[in-house]
Amino acid sequence: GENVEQHPSTLSVQEGDSAVIKCTYSDSASNYFPWYKQELGKRPQLIIDIRSNVGEKKDQRIAVTLNKTAKHFSLHITETQPEDSAVYFCAATSGTDKLIFGTGTRLQVFP
Amino acid sequence: GAVVSQHPSWVICKSGTSVKIECRSLDFQATTMFWYRQFPKQSLMLMATSNEGSKATYEQGVEKDKFLINHASLTLSTLTVTSAHPEDSSFYICSAREPGRQPQHFGDGTRLSIL
Repeated sequence: GENVEQHPSTLSVQEGDSAVIKCTYSDSASNYFPWYKQELGKRPQLIIDIRSNVGEKKDQRIAVTLNKTAKHFSLHITETQPEDSAVYFCAATSGTDKLIFGTGTRLQVFP
Repeated sequence: GAVVSQHPSWVICKSGTSVKIECRSLDFQATTMFWYRQFPKQSLMLMATSNEGSKATYEQGVEKDKFLINHASLTLSTLTVTSAHPEDSSFYICSAREPGRQPQHFGDGTRLSIL
């Protein structure tokens, strides 16, 4: 089955700096890769997603890149703000529709 | 947009009690729903896939007799934690997606505390 690894587990940055979180997946059939932001005690919220036929997608300060050959995908947040502080999860899914989550990255943005 | 409603949001009960959690798709029909469990400071772990009108598919290591799933209609799936014990205390969350579309939409989750 699918396995998703995520790094780093914690990330501390100064406000205004960029943050990068990386994930790798094992199942070459995976074709959809969402990123979620989760605040304490709340549901995961989708922040951006990418399909396997696209190499990069951007939405304002957030971007995701996908390298299908290497089975890597990354989240890039630019101009970080304190309100970006949360836990971020990558995920992958194939035709079975099961979402397999990475282990999470706790991002702290210091003012 | 698509909304998934889950309740209760918080349950505290005694050991040995059975607890039922409901997950509803409010404005779309979902033939498939998913149940996850999340322990503190850990990731979301898929427990089972709930299939409307048929048996749920459980992930490896998840006891199907412990976690009963019923998906009797296209908008409702229930998870019953039977004879709950303190080690079952966790955050349980469901998800569903509109047919043929991404992404999956998550409920607000249920925090279960077994005393």
